[in-house]
Amino acid sequence: IQMTQSPSTLSASVGDRVTITCRASQSINNWLAWYQQKPGRAPTLLIAMASSLYSGVPSRFSGRGSGTEFTLTISDLQPDDFATYYCQHYNGYWGFGQGTKLEI
Amino acid sequence: QVQLQESGPGLVKPSETLSLSCTVSGGSINNYYWTWIRQAPGKGLEWIGNIYYSGDTNYNPSLQSRISISVDMSRKHFSLELTSVTTADTAVYFCGRGTIFGVVNTWGQGTLVTVS
Repeated sequence: IQMTQSPSTLSASVGDRVTITCRASQSINNWLAWYQQKPGRAPTLLIAMASSLYSGVPSRFSGRGSGTEFTLTISDLQPDDFATYYCQHYNGYWGFGQGTKLEI
Repeated sequence: QVQLQESGPGLVKPSETLSLSCTVSGGSINNYYWTWIRQAPGKGLEWIGNIYYSGDTNYNPSLQSRISISVDMSRKHFSLELTSVTTADTAVYFCGRGTIFGVVNTWGQGTLVTVS
């Protein structure tokens, strides 16, 4: 299964609302997660099962979708949100999208 | 709170075998998928493979012929071996704890392995 994220780079400002899209080459139902990664750090889990916010993650993060198309939306961007975001599928095998760099 | 720590050589010669270990502390090794993921410099994340606590393994098809992942329940660590390495295997290698929901909810800090 191939995961295609778009855009690869996204420029935004504090307070904006942004959406990142992830498309799967075939249906993965809702087996889709989103991670945030900052330079030099390990990724951290944001959302599991397409739309379930992981413990401790701010509510300005939200995920939607099923089948082959998924979105991650960040509302009211905060300075700490500027990072790279990855989607990840699970269908027995695991795989990541190529990442979206969210920059100021 | 569970913590993961990778260990192993930071430099490996081409054609040799890369061996890494991940120690699990502060939590059980049962009922999880113990996972290896890597990230080449400036690139995205690549899933290498994982092992269920029972010993069942699942490997990235693109790496399958060169990978072996094992788990030592008694010592609470799991290991990665990657054979016949090339410079393309230079990356930060992360170990992680995967759940039945197909996510990695705990990550090690990562260790840079250079093939040269």
